[in-house]
Amino acid sequence: EAQVTQNPRYLITVTGKKLTVTCSQNMNHEYMSWYRQDPGLGLRQIYYSMNVEVTDKGDVPEGYKVSRKEKRNFPLILESPSPNQTSLYFCASSPTHPRDTQYFGPGTRLTVL
Amino acid sequence: EDKVVQSPLSLVVHEGDTVTLNCSYEVTNFRSLLWYKQEKKAPTFLFMLTSSGIEKKSGRLSSILDKKELSSILNITATQTGDSAIYLCAVDRTGGTSYGKLTFGQGTILTVHP
Repeated sequence: EAQVTQNPRYLITVTGKKLTVTCSQNMNHEYMSWYRQDPGLGLRQIYYSMNVEVTDKGDVPEGYKVSRKEKRNFPLILESPSPNQTSLYFCASSPTHPRDTQYFGPGTRLTVL
Repeated sequence: EDKVVQSPLSLVVHEGDTVTLNCSYEVTNFRSLLWYKQEKKAPTFLFMLTSSGIEKKSGRLSSILDKKELSSILNITATQTGDSAIYLCAVDRTGGTSYGKLTFGQGTILTVHP
């Protein structure tokens, strides 16, 4: 089944403790992206990747890192999480570009205490 | 700074009503505008509109892009409770340093009562 998977789905952590949210797609898509969703703010793009080893900042990249070493995986790293990073995070992929139909993962709900 | 603004932020209607959702944008190198529907989980794609395809229709949903007014509307006729969702619009660019970047609006929360 074609899908985007994210892990973990729920995470409660404390300020400053490094964490990684994994994202994987099995559709051989070139484009992958991370978004965060907060009430009243819609989706905001954190980072995106047009292909392996190519990553770029979205609208809200501060406090996040990403890497794209292989086509299928696009992990999101929070080196020192803070409470303002408490949010719902979505990973998405599309064949070549975000204007292609994007397939979203199920979301990761992160709480930073 | 690029901006995408949706209105209204929230809307409550009864089944059978027709609704119009708005999305306006100020984006450098605009290429296309996309509409998504988000129910309880992740967003799902509805439409993409570009200068070469400024009107799209699928069943009771239709959307128009007005490049002069830098805006788009999403119409839903004969609403059903299953239309209750957050509707998101997003804008992408033709090229330059922001190629691949996608900017979303705040979303419109639509609630349809029986």
